[in-house]
Amino acid sequence: ETGVTQTPRHLVMGMTNKKSLKCEQHLGHNAMYWYKQSAKKPLELMFVYNFKEQTENNSVPSRFSPECPNSSHLFLHLHTLQPEDSALYLCASSQAGYPNYGYTFGSGTRLTVV
Amino acid sequence: QQPVQSPQAVILREGEDAVINCSSSKALYSVHWYRQKHGEAPVFLMILLKGGEQKGHEKISASFNEKKQQSSLYLTASQLSYSGTYFCGTEREGGSQGNLIFGKGTKLSVKP
Repeated sequence: ETGVTQTPRHLVMGMTNKKSLKCEQHLGHNAMYWYKQSAKKPLELMFVYNFKEQTENNSVPSRFSPECPNSSHLFLHLHTLQPEDSALYLCASSQAGYPNYGYTFGSGTRLTVV
Repeated sequence: QQPVQSPQAVILREGEDAVINCSSSKALYSVHWYRQKHGEAPVFLMILLKGGEQKGHEKISASFNEKKQQSSLYLTASQLSYSGTYFCGTEREGGSQGNLIFGKGTKLSVKP
Protein backbone atom coordinates (compact mmCIF):
# COMPACT_ATOMS: atom_id res chain seq x y z
CA GLU A 1 0.00 0.00 0.00
CA THR A 2 1.32 3.43 -0.90
CA GLY A 3 0.63 7.00 0.17
CA VAL A 4 -1.10 8.13 3.33
CA THR A 5 -3.83 5.93 4.80
CA GLN A 6 -6.34 7.11 7.38
CA THR A 7 -8.74 4.98 9.39
CA PRO A 8 -11.58 4.95 10.00
CA ARG A 9 -13.07 6.81 7.03
CA HIS A 10 -16.18 7.72 9.00
CA LEU A 11 -16.75 7.98 12.75
CA VAL A 12 -19.79 8.90 14.78
CA MET A 13 -19.21 9.40 18.47
CA GLY A 14 -21.05 10.71 21.48
CA MET A 15 -19.72 13.57 23.53
CA THR A 16 -18.65 11.26 26.35
CA ASN A 17 -16.87 8.71 24.14
CA LYS A 18 -13.15 8.18 23.66
CA LYS A 19 -11.94 7.29 20.19
CA SER A 20 -8.74 7.46 18.15
CA LEU A 21 -7.97 8.35 14.55
CA LYS A 22 -5.08 6.60 12.87
CA CYS A 23 -2.79 7.75 10.09
CA GLU A 24 -0.08 5.70 8.41
CA GLN A 25 2.30 6.82 5.69
CA HIS A 26 4.30 4.51 3.43
CA LEU A 27 6.39 7.22 1.78
CA GLY A 28 9.40 7.30 4.08
CA HIS A 29 8.58 10.86 5.12
CA ASN A 30 9.86 12.32 8.39
CA ALA A 31 7.17 14.93 9.09
CA MET A 32 3.46 14.38 9.75
CA TYR A 33 0.55 16.73 10.33
CA TRP A 34 -3.06 16.85 11.48
CA TYR A 35 -5.43 19.29 9.79
CA LYS A 36 -9.10 19.95 10.52
CA GLN A 37 -11.32 20.81 7.57
CA SER A 38 -14.75 22.31 8.14
CA ALA A 39 -17.02 24.63 6.22
CA LYS A 40 -16.12 27.54 8.47
CA LYS A 41 -12.33 27.07 8.60
CA PRO A 42 -10.98 25.05 5.70
CA LEU A 43 -7.65 23.23 6.29
CA GLU A 44 -6.88 24.41 9.80
CA LEU A 45 -3.46 23.24 11.03
CA MET A 46 -3.66 21.39 14.36
CA PHE A 47 -0.37 19.59 15.04
CA VAL A 48 3.05 19.17 13.42
CA TYR A 49 5.50 16.36 14.10
CA ASN A 50 9.08 16.39 12.80
CA PHE A 51 11.15 13.24 13.36
CA LYS A 52 8.50 12.04 15.87
CA GLU A 53 8.79 15.23 17.95
CA GLN A 54 5.85 17.60 18.22
CA THR A 55 7.00 20.97 16.92
CA GLU A 56 3.69 22.78 16.59
CA ASN A 57 0.43 22.84 18.52
CA ASN A 58 -1.80 25.41 16.91
CA SER A 59 -3.76 26.27 20.09
CA VAL A 60 -5.74 23.06 19.90
CA PRO A 61 -8.04 22.21 22.85
CA SER A 62 -6.76 19.47 25.15
CA ARG A 63 -9.67 17.18 24.20
CA PHE A 64 -7.53 16.44 21.12
CA SER A 65 -4.35 14.55 21.99
CA PRO A 66 -1.85 13.56 19.29
CA GLU A 67 0.60 10.70 19.44
CA CYS A 68 3.45 9.87 17.07
CA PRO A 69 5.11 6.58 18.09
CA ASN A 70 7.33 6.48 14.98
CA SER A 71 7.83 8.43 11.79
CA SER A 72 5.28 6.30 9.91
CA HIS A 73 2.33 6.47 12.31
CA LEU A 74 0.30 9.31 13.75
CA PHE A 75 -2.72 9.12 16.01
CA LEU A 76 -5.27 11.63 17.19
CA HIS A 77 -6.94 10.63 20.46
CA LEU A 78 -10.34 12.17 21.03
CA HIS A 79 -12.30 12.53 24.28
CA THR A 80 -15.27 14.57 25.49
CA LEU A 81 -15.67 16.26 22.14
CA GLN A 82 -18.24 18.93 21.29
CA PRO A 83 -20.64 18.98 18.33
CA GLU A 84 -18.60 21.83 16.79
CA ASP A 85 -15.68 19.39 16.53
CA SER A 86 -17.55 17.59 13.76
CA ALA A 87 -15.37 17.94 10.66
CA LEU A 88 -13.09 16.16 8.24
CA TYR A 89 -9.75 15.38 9.88
CA LEU A 90 -6.90 15.14 7.42
CA CYS A 91 -3.48 13.69 7.99
CA ALA A 92 -0.54 14.70 5.79
CA SER A 93 3.14 13.87 5.53
CA SER A 94 6.18 15.43 3.92
CA GLN A 95 9.95 15.07 3.73
CA ALA A 96 11.51 17.87 5.72
CA GLY A 97 14.43 19.37 3.81
CA TYR A 98 12.89 18.44 0.46
CA PRO A 99 10.19 21.08 0.04
CA ASN A 100 9.75 20.60 -3.69
CA TYR A 101 7.61 17.53 -3.14
CA GLY A 102 4.99 19.24 -1.00
CA TYR A 103 2.61 17.47 1.35
CA THR A 104 0.79 14.20 0.68
CA PHE A 105 -2.66 14.10 2.25
CA GLY A 106 -4.73 11.13 3.30
CA SER A 107 -8.40 10.87 2.38
CA GLY A 108 -9.45 11.93 5.87
CA THR A 109 -11.77 10.76 8.63
CA ARG A 110 -15.24 12.28 8.59
CA LEU A 111 -16.07 12.80 12.28
CA THR A 112 -19.58 13.46 13.55
CA VAL A 113 -20.07 14.26 17.23
CA VAL A 114 -23.60 13.71 18.49
CA GLN B 1 -1.77 34.52 9.81
CA GLN B 2 -4.05 33.03 7.16
CA PRO B 3 -3.29 34.02 3.55
CA VAL B 4 -6.09 35.68 1.59
CA GLN B 5 -7.25 34.07 -1.63
CA SER B 6 -9.23 35.68 -4.42
CA PRO B 7 -11.60 35.18 -6.03
CA GLN B 8 -13.68 32.94 -3.75
CA ALA B 9 -15.23 31.21 -6.73
CA VAL B 10 -14.97 31.26 -10.49
CA ILE B 11 -16.94 29.60 -13.27
CA LEU B 12 -15.28 28.93 -16.61
CA ARG B 13 -16.13 27.38 -19.93
CA GLU B 14 -13.74 24.76 -21.23
CA GLY B 15 -10.76 26.41 -22.88
CA GLU B 16 -10.97 29.64 -20.88
CA ASP B 17 -8.21 30.92 -18.60
CA ALA B 18 -8.28 31.76 -14.91
CA VAL B 19 -6.00 33.39 -12.34
CA ILE B 20 -6.19 32.71 -8.62
CA ASN B 21 -4.38 35.03 -6.24
CA CYS B 22 -2.94 34.44 -2.79
CA SER B 23 -1.56 37.20 -0.59
CA SER B 24 -0.05 37.40 2.86
CA SER B 25 0.67 40.21 5.29
CA LYS B 26 3.84 38.42 6.47
CA ALA B 27 7.16 37.80 4.74
CA LEU B 28 7.01 34.38 3.17
CA TYR B 29 9.47 31.52 2.78
CA SER B 30 7.28 29.44 0.51
CA VAL B 31 3.90 29.19 -1.16
CA HIS B 32 2.24 25.84 -1.88
CA TRP B 33 -0.68 25.23 -4.23
CA TYR B 34 -3.11 22.31 -3.88
CA ARG B 35 -6.30 21.21 -5.62
CA GLN B 36 -9.06 19.33 -3.83
CA LYS B 37 -11.92 17.66 -5.64
CA HIS B 38 -15.17 17.01 -3.80
CA GLY B 39 -14.84 14.11 -1.37
CA GLU B 40 -11.14 13.66 -2.07
CA ALA B 41 -7.86 14.59 -0.43
CA PRO B 42 -6.04 17.78 -1.43
CA VAL B 43 -3.42 17.07 -4.10
CA PHE B 44 -0.12 18.93 -4.29
CA LEU B 45 0.35 20.99 -7.47
CA MET B 46 3.55 22.96 -6.90
CA ILE B 47 5.64 24.91 -4.43
CA LEU B 48 7.39 28.23 -4.93
CA LEU B 49 10.25 29.19 -2.66
CA LYS B 50 11.61 32.49 -1.48
CA GLY B 51 13.75 34.05 -4.16
CA GLY B 52 10.87 34.86 -6.47
CA GLU B 53 10.22 32.31 -9.14
CA GLN B 54 7.79 30.96 -11.59
CA LYS B 55 6.89 27.33 -12.08
CA GLY B 56 4.59 25.34 -14.21
CA HIS B 57 3.58 22.00 -15.50
CA GLU B 58 1.26 21.35 -18.41
CA LYS B 59 -1.17 24.29 -18.52
CA ILE B 60 -0.98 25.20 -14.84
CA SER B 61 1.72 27.59 -13.69
CA ALA B 62 2.36 29.91 -10.78
CA SER B 63 4.42 32.92 -9.83
CA PHE B 64 5.69 34.22 -6.49
CA ASN B 65 6.35 37.89 -5.92
CA GLU B 66 8.43 37.89 -2.77
CA LYS B 67 8.37 41.66 -2.33
CA LYS B 68 4.60 41.84 -2.45
CA GLN B 69 4.17 38.53 -0.56
CA GLN B 70 1.84 37.38 -3.29
CA SER B 71 1.47 34.33 -5.46
CA SER B 72 -0.74 33.72 -8.45
CA LEU B 73 -1.86 30.44 -9.99
CA TYR B 74 -2.52 30.52 -13.73
CA LEU B 75 -4.78 27.96 -15.40
CA THR B 76 -4.79 28.21 -19.18
CA ALA B 77 -7.09 26.52 -21.67
CA SER B 78 -9.01 24.99 -18.78
CA GLN B 79 -10.28 21.42 -18.92
CA LEU B 80 -13.21 19.81 -17.12
CA SER B 81 -10.70 18.00 -14.91
CA TYR B 82 -9.50 21.32 -13.50
CA SER B 83 -12.70 21.71 -11.49
CA GLY B 84 -12.20 21.68 -7.75
CA THR B 85 -11.18 23.92 -4.89
CA TYR B 86 -7.72 25.42 -5.05
CA PHE B 87 -5.87 26.21 -1.84
CA CYS B 88 -2.72 28.16 -1.35
CA GLY B 89 -0.63 27.41 1.72
CA THR B 90 2.09 29.68 3.05
CA GLU B 91 5.10 29.21 5.28
CA ARG B 92 6.34 32.36 6.98
CA GLU B 93 9.94 33.41 6.71
CA GLY B 94 11.56 32.57 10.02
CA GLY B 95 8.64 30.39 11.03
CA SER B 96 8.91 26.86 12.33
CA GLN B 97 9.35 23.92 9.95
CA GLY B 98 6.11 22.65 8.53
CA ASN B 99 3.87 25.44 9.81
CA LEU B 100 1.87 25.56 6.56
CA ILE B 101 -1.21 27.77 6.84
CA PHE B 102 -3.87 27.53 4.15
CA GLY B 103 -6.19 30.12 2.67
CA LYS B 104 -9.94 29.60 2.50
CA GLY B 105 -9.78 28.27 -1.03
CA THR B 106 -11.07 29.21 -4.48
CA LYS B 107 -13.79 27.03 -5.97
CA LEU B 108 -13.27 26.57 -9.69
CA SER B 109 -16.02 25.13 -11.87
CA VAL B 110 -15.27 24.32 -15.50
CA LYS B 111 -18.32 23.71 -17.66
CA PRO B 112 -18.49 22.17 -21.15
